[in-house]
Amino acid sequence: SSELTQDPAVSVALGQTVRITCQGDILRRYYASWYQQKPGQAPVLVIYGKNNRPSGIPDRFSGSSSGNTASLTITAAQAEDEADYYCQSRDNTGNHAVFAGGTKVTVL
Amino acid sequence: QLQLQESGPGLVKPSETLSLTCTVSGDSISSASYYWGWIRQPPGKGLEWIGSMYYSGNTYSNPSLQSRVTISVDTSKNQLSLKLTSVTAADTAIYYCARHVAHFYYYMDVWGKGTTVTVSS
Repeated sequence: SSELTQDPAVSVALGQTVRITCQGDILRRYYASWYQQKPGQAPVLVIYGKNNRPSGIPDRFSGSSSGNTASLTITAAQAEDEADYYCQSRDNTGNHAVFAGGTKVTVL
Repeated sequence: QLQLQESGPGLVKPSETLSLTCTVSGDSISSASYYWGWIRQPPGKGLEWIGSMYYSGNTYSNPSLQSRVTISVDTSKNQLSLKLTSVTAADTAIYYCARHVAHFYYYMDVWGKGTTVTVSS
C-alpha cells in the first residue's frame, strides 16, 4: 500500500522538542519529505530525503526514518513553528507522489 | 530567483472544464533536472497530488483523477497547464503548481502561491 498516515494534531511547549511521525509501508522503500504550511500560505519544503534541509531552513528541523515510519523532529520549538506539517513520499510505481493527511502542531 | 505563478478562472460551473496555467520565471521549464506539476488543497483539508510532467512529454497523474486530468507544457512560454474535466463541487480547492525533483529522492522544492478555484453554478 502507498498510503501514509499522520497524527492529526500534536502540541509542544515553547523551547521543547516535538516529533511528528508518518507511517506507511511504502516508507520501507522510499524516503519521506516534509512540508510546513502556515495559514493562508503555500507549503514550504523543510526536509527531504534521508535528512536534508533546503537552504534557509533552520537546523532545529531534522528528519529520520526507521522501518515503516518517518519522523520530523523540531528541537527547541519556536512560536513561528506553529503550522501544519505534511509528509510526502511516492507510490509503488515510484512515479506518483503521495501525501499524508497532515499534522497540526501547536506551540504552547 | 525561481518563481511560479498560477492563474486561471476563480469560478467554474459544474460539469465544465477547469483550466489553469502556471508561469515559471527564473528557470527554464525545459530543464533536464526537474518535473513540473500540480497539487491541490480543498478548503480545510490536506494536500492532494494531481500530477506532474517532464518537458519532453513524460506525464504522471494521480490514479484517482487520471481520467479527467491533462497536464501539458508550453516551452516557448515557459508555462505549465492543467485541465480538469467534468468538475464537481469536490474539485473546489486551492491549486498549486510546484517544481518536482524526482530522482533518488522525490520532493517539491519550489511552490507557487496557489490559486483558488470554486466550482459552483
